Amino acid sequence: GAVVSQHPSWVICKSGTSVKIECRSLDFQATTMFWYRQFPKQSLMLMATSNEGSKATYEQGVEKDKFLINHASLTLSTLTVTSAHPEDSSFYICSARVNSGREGDEQFFGPGTRLTVL
Amino acid sequence: AQKITQTQPGMFVQEKEAVTLDCTYDTSDQSYGLFWYKQPSSGEMIFLIYQGSYDEQNATEGRYSLNFQKARKSANLVISASQLGDSAMYFCAMREGTGGGNKLTFGTGTQLKVEL
Repeated sequence: GAVVSQHPSWVICKSGTSVKIECRSLDFQATTMFWYRQFPKQSLMLMATSNEGSKATYEQGVEKDKFLINHASLTLSTLTVTSAHPEDSSFYICSARVNSGREGDEQFFGPGTRLTVL
Repeated sequence: AQKITQTQPGMFVQEKEAVTLDCTYDTSDQSYGLFWYKQPSSGEMIFLIYQGSYDEQNATEGRYSLNFQKARKSANLVISASQLGDSAMYFCAMREGTGGGNKLTFGTGTQLKVEL
């Protein structure tokens, strides 16, 4: 089946630094990828929709300049958290749109990246 | 208004018993899809089952079935013969419109604990 990877799986950084998270589709091409954020014991909140070759579409309330998304190829989307602060600490999950042939199984999720900002 | 509502923050069930996880939704679209995902403590999202708004029959996938009541706008997940490995967080989600490119909106989740 389709596999989506994320790197790193966890990262700890100092306040004020930038962190890049990669989301890769390993055995398929993904024209659309999604980035979610999940706080402990809470739901997944969509941050943005990333389309290959074009600008990402951000959800209301998500700062575009803080969460930079680049989808430069059909297999890679990156999320950069710029000038990270402790309140940005969260679990970030990406998903890729895929035609799996199984009805409803249309977004394959990565394993997530746990970001801790000190 | 919340688009997806899961009113059970936590549920307990005994092994081998059946359990129902509630989900109600709100949309004015005629075409939409409803999903259930399982999230173990490791964090990955595992797709379980899907129901399209035009599907007349309730979806089933092995031990999972979806009790779809369109008029009530509910899409409850039924897990039969619970196993210890079913202990996880369960999320109901909705996609408005058609196509996998449309975004998913998730509920707040239900933490299921299966006991011996």
